[in-house]
Amino acid sequence: EAQVTQNPRYLITVTGKKLTVTCSQNMNHEYMSWYRQDPGLGLRQIYYSMNVEVTDKGDVPEGYKVSRKEKRNFPLILESPSPNQTSLYFCASSIRDGQNTEAFFGQGTRLTVV
Amino acid sequence: GENVEQHPSTLSVQEGDSAVIKCTYSDSASNYFPWYKQELGKGPQLIIDIRSNVGEKKDQRIAVTLNKTAKHFSLHITETQPEDSAVYFCAAPGGYQKVTFGTGTKLQVIP
Repeated sequence: EAQVTQNPRYLITVTGKKLTVTCSQNMNHEYMSWYRQDPGLGLRQIYYSMNVEVTDKGDVPEGYKVSRKEKRNFPLILESPSPNQTSLYFCASSIRDGQNTEAFFGQGTRLTVV
Repeated sequence: GENVEQHPSTLSVQEGDSAVIKCTYSDSASNYFPWYKQELGKGPQLIIDIRSNVGEKKDQRIAVTLNKTAKHFSLHITETQPEDSAVYFCAAPGGYQKVTFGTGTKLQVIP
């Protein structure tokens, strides 16, 4: 089954404790992206990747890091989480050009930073 | 960068009525306009999209219209059903390889 898998689905952590949210897709897509969803703000793009070893900032990259060492994986790293990073996070992939093709989303990761 | 405005933020309709959600965008170079539906506890899923070389596209009860001159595109749902209740997002290209989403519309279909 074609899918985007995120882990974990739920995470509660403390301020300053490094964490990683994993994302994996099995569709051989080139474009992958991370979004955060907050009430009233919709989906905002954090980082995206055009292909292996090619990443770039989205609209809200502060406090986040990503890496794309393999085509299928695109982890989101929070080096020192803060309470304002409490949010619902989605990973997405597109076959090629993220701007002109359908995005396939994961199930989401609800992160709480206390 | 791209600025995408979506209205209304909430919409309640009686079952069987029509629902219309509108988005405006700022970048005249944009040429792909998808609509996503997000059900409770799930990730968004594409329901329909339109490209700038057409003005309207239909898929059963769902249609999308595009007005490039006015820089807006709309989602139309006819004969609404309870299972249409969800949050709907529009999106547009948001600068070099970025994607900008609207703020979402929570649609409630009242049986």
